[in-house]
Parts: sequence; C-alpha cells; structure tokens
Amino acid sequence: AQTVTQSQPEMSVQEAETVTLSCTYDTSESDYYLFWYKQPPSRQMILVIRQEAYKQQNATENRFSVNFQKAAKSFSLKISDSQLGDAAMYFCAYIVTNFGNEKLTFGTGTRLTIIP
Amino acid sequence: EAQVTQNPRYLITVTGKKLTVTCSQNMNHEYMSWYRQDPGLGLRQIYYSMNVEVTDKGDVPEGYKVSRKEKRNFPLILESPSPNQTSLYFCASSPIPSGGPHNEQFFGPGTRLTVL
Repeated sequence: AQTVTQSQPEMSVQEAETVTLSCTYDTSESDYYLFWYKQPPSRQMILVIRQEAYKQQNATENRFSVNFQKAAKSFSLKISDSQLGDAAMYFCAYIVTNFGNEKLTFGTGTRLTIIP
Repeated sequence: EAQVTQNPRYLITVTGKKLTVTCSQNMNHEYMSWYRQDPGLGLRQIYYSMNVEVTDKGDVPEGYKVSRKEKRNFPLILESPSPNQTSLYFCASSPIPSGGPHNEQFFGPGTRLTVL
C-alpha cells in the first residue's frame, strides 16, 4: 500500500525560529510529485510547496524549503523565521503521475504551534 | 476568481435523511474528487471523476454516491447518512495531469457534516 507517514503529531516553535516537519512516504512508482499543504483554523487547504521527484534540487518558496531524499523516501519541510500566521496543521502528500486517478495520498498531519 | 465552491459549509442532520453536498468549479478542470478528513487519519479519497460521466471509487466509497453530468459540478450524495459519516469533506479539482509543474489540485472550503 502506498502510504505517507508524519511521525510528529504536534510541534511547537518560538516565533522567528526555524522548525522542521518530517515526512516519509512509500511508493513503488518512480514518477511522482510531493506536496506540503497548510490547513489553518479556517480549514482551507493551502498548497505551501511542491517537489518533482525527478528533480534533485530541493524546492524553495520564500521561508519554506524542503529536504528531499529520494532514496530514503523522505520529504521534510523547513520553515525559517517562523511567524504567528504559520500556526496550522501541515499535511504531507504525494501524487503519482500515471494519467489515471490523480489521487493525493496524505499523511495524518502535524499541528504546528507558534510561541510568541 | 478561480475557485472551487461547496455548499453547504455546515450541516447537521439525522441518521437516514438523504443529503447532497454540492461542489462546483469555474476553471474548466477535467478532474474532480471528494475527500473526507478525520482526526488522526488525514484526508482520504471517497470518489473521483476524470471527466463528464466518468466516475470511480476512491479509498472509502461506502455509503456515498456521486455524479458528473456537467464538467463544472460534482455533487456528493449520502443516501442514508450514518453517524460514522460525520466528518469534514473537501472537494478538489485539477487539470490532468495534476502533478505537473503548472498544475495543482484546488480545494473547496470544506463542509463540516454532523450526523446525529
């Protein structure tokens, strides 16, 4: 079965500090995309960052960056200079590009608290 | 504005009373999907549709029906709701393939359903 594991149900970080959320996944496919989604209290699912599995270079979006280790099937999210607005549930997910069901397989989420 | 809309946003109902949650997108996307979100389980796919009149089961389809008569609409139908269907429901849409560099799945705002 294809799975995504987020081993940290909850994390907290001091405002302006850096935090890393971990994610491992398991798929036998070679072509896929990885995502981190943010879900604030409003419940909206917001795409934070994506990574193409065929790219070795780690994706970066402003204060958000990933550490993608394809052989280890690891995809962690680093948030630098944490801000109060970063407080949310974060979901790691992937999608297999086989032109079939475009299903996102999600992890169970990590709730991030920002300490002022 | 490009968006996915869902109605209602909140619904409290009783066991056995048929209900429909509507989903509509204005981006001419081929692919649409329903997910349910439960604590500790992340988001799981219920049904998906690759195009008009093409639907198929996801991972947790029991107790649900869908239809895709028009490209923009993808309603979720609960013929006889039960308390174990109490959940947060998300509709999503995307072009195909959705994992490409310029594509992503857009999520609706969510529907909080409580079945008593």
